[in-house]
Amino acid sequence: DIQMTQSPSVLSASVGDRVTLNCKASQNINKYLNWYQQKLGEAPKLLIYNTNNLQTGIPSRFSGSGSGTDYTLTISSLQPEDVATYFCFQHNSWPLTFGSGTKLEIK
Amino acid sequence: EVQLVESGGGLVQPGRSLKLSCAASGFTFSNYYMAWVRQAPTKGLEWVASITNSGGSTYYRDSVKGRFTISRDNAKSTLYLQMDSLRSEDTATYYCTRDDVAALFAYWGQGTLVTVSS
Repeated sequence: DIQMTQSPSVLSASVGDRVTLNCKASQNINKYLNWYQQKLGEAPKLLIYNTNNLQTGIPSRFSGSGSGTDYTLTISSLQPEDVATYFCFQHNSWPLTFGSGTKLEIK
Repeated sequence: EVQLVESGGGLVQPGRSLKLSCAASGFTFSNYYMAWVRQAPTKGLEWVASITNSGGSTYYRDSVKGRFTISRDNAKSTLYLQMDSLRSEDTATYYCTRDDVAALFAYWGQGTLVTVSS
C-alpha cells in the first residue's frame, strides 16, 4: 500500500499569511493527488485534483503543485474561513489512500 | 445540483449486518463511478469500496473484502453498501461519494454513522 505522510500535523498561521501544506507519498504516484478540506462537523470538500487542478467554485487562493512523491497545497493569503483539516489523497494505485491530515488554525 | 443522501446507519452488535443506502439526485447516476469512504470518530479518512458506473467492476480495501459488498441500482439512482460480520473497528461515519470526469470523490454526502458495539 502507498503511505501518504502529511506535514505538519498542526499549523497555526495569521490571517493574510501564505501557507504551505506538505504531502509525501511512499512511492511515485504520477501526480494522481487530490486535496480535500474538511471543516468541523462537515463532509470533506474537494479543493484540488490531479496535483494542480482547481475544482469548480474553489477560491483561487488555493493552489497545488508537485510531482513524483512530493506534493504541496498552498493558500496564498489565509482567510478565517480556511480553518479546517486538509487531507491529501492518492489514486495512482489500489488501495486508494489518504494522508492523516493537517489541522490548520488561525493565530 | 448534485445531492447524495446516505441512510441506514445506526447501532449494531459485533458480528451482525447492516445495509447502507445512498440516494442520488441532480445528475445521471448511471454515468458515474461511485464509492464509499469512512471516517472513524476523530480520525482520518479511509477509502472502503468503489464501483464502476455499470456496476460491472468493484474494488475493496483488504480489511472489508469478503465482508462488505458495494452495489448500485441505476434505475433507482441508489448506491448500497451491505456490511456483514461487522467489527468494532468498522465504527465510523460512512460517506457516499461520486467521481467527476477527471476527479475522484468530487462530491460527498453528509454521511451516516455506524456504531458497532455490544
